[in-house]
Amino acid sequence: AQKITQTQPGMFVQEKEAVTLDCTYDTSDPSYGLFWYKQPSSGEMIFLIYQGSYDQQNATEGRYSLNFQKARKSANLVISASQLGDSAMYFCAITSGYSTLTFGKGTMLLVSP
Amino acid sequence: DSGVTQTPKHLITATGQRVTLRCSPRSGDLSVYWYQQSLDQGLQFLIQYYNGEERAKGNILERFSAQQFPDLHSELNLSSLELGDSALYFCASTPTGGIHEQYFGPGTRLTVT
Repeated sequence: AQKITQTQPGMFVQEKEAVTLDCTYDTSDPSYGLFWYKQPSSGEMIFLIYQGSYDQQNATEGRYSLNFQKARKSANLVISASQLGDSAMYFCAITSGYSTLTFGKGTMLLVSP
Repeated sequence: DSGVTQTPKHLITATGQRVTLRCSPRSGDLSVYWYQQSLDQGLQFLIQYYNGEERAKGNILERFSAQQFPDLHSELNLSSLELGDSALYFCASTPTGGIHEQYFGPGTRLTVT
C-alpha cells in the first residue's frame, strides 16, 4: 500500500519569498513516481512537477523544484519567489505499478502582498 | 487547459436518482482514471480504464459503475444517489498505464439534495 503524509494543513508566505511544502511517503515498491498538484479555488487540478524514484537529480520546473530525499522518503516542494497567484491547495501524490495515484490531504498555501 | 474534457460542469439532482458523468481524455491517451474529491474523504481513486478495459479499481461503491468506449471517452454512472455522494468528480488521463503524470479534467461538481 502507498501512503502520502502532508503535515502542514496551512502555510503562509509573503510575496517574493520562497516556501517549502512538506511531503513524506511510504511505499514498498522500488519503482514509483512522486507528483505535486495545485488546486486553486476554481477547483481544477494542475500538474506541477514529477520525480521518478530512480532519478538522480531533483526535478525542477520553472519556480518549482522538488527536494527528493529517498532515504528519508521525503519529496518536498519548493516554490521560489512566491506570487499571489500561488495561493492554492497543494497536493503531493505517489504512484507505482498500475499508476493509481494516492494523494495526501493537501496543504493550503496563502501568499500575502 | 489540460486537454481533458468533462461534462457537465455542475449537476444538481435528488436522492435516489441516477446520473452519468462524461470524460474525454487528451488526444492519444489510452488510460482514463476517475477520482472523487469530498471534504471528509479527500481525493480518492475510483477506477481506471486502459484502452477499453478495466485496469484497476479503488474505493468505488457498488452503486457506481464506469466504462470506456471504443473512441476512448469514458462515462461514470452513479445510481441510487445519496447525500454523501455530493462531491467533485475528476477524470484524468495518461498515454499508457505506466508511471506518468496524470492530466486532470476540470471536474464535475455533483450536488445531491
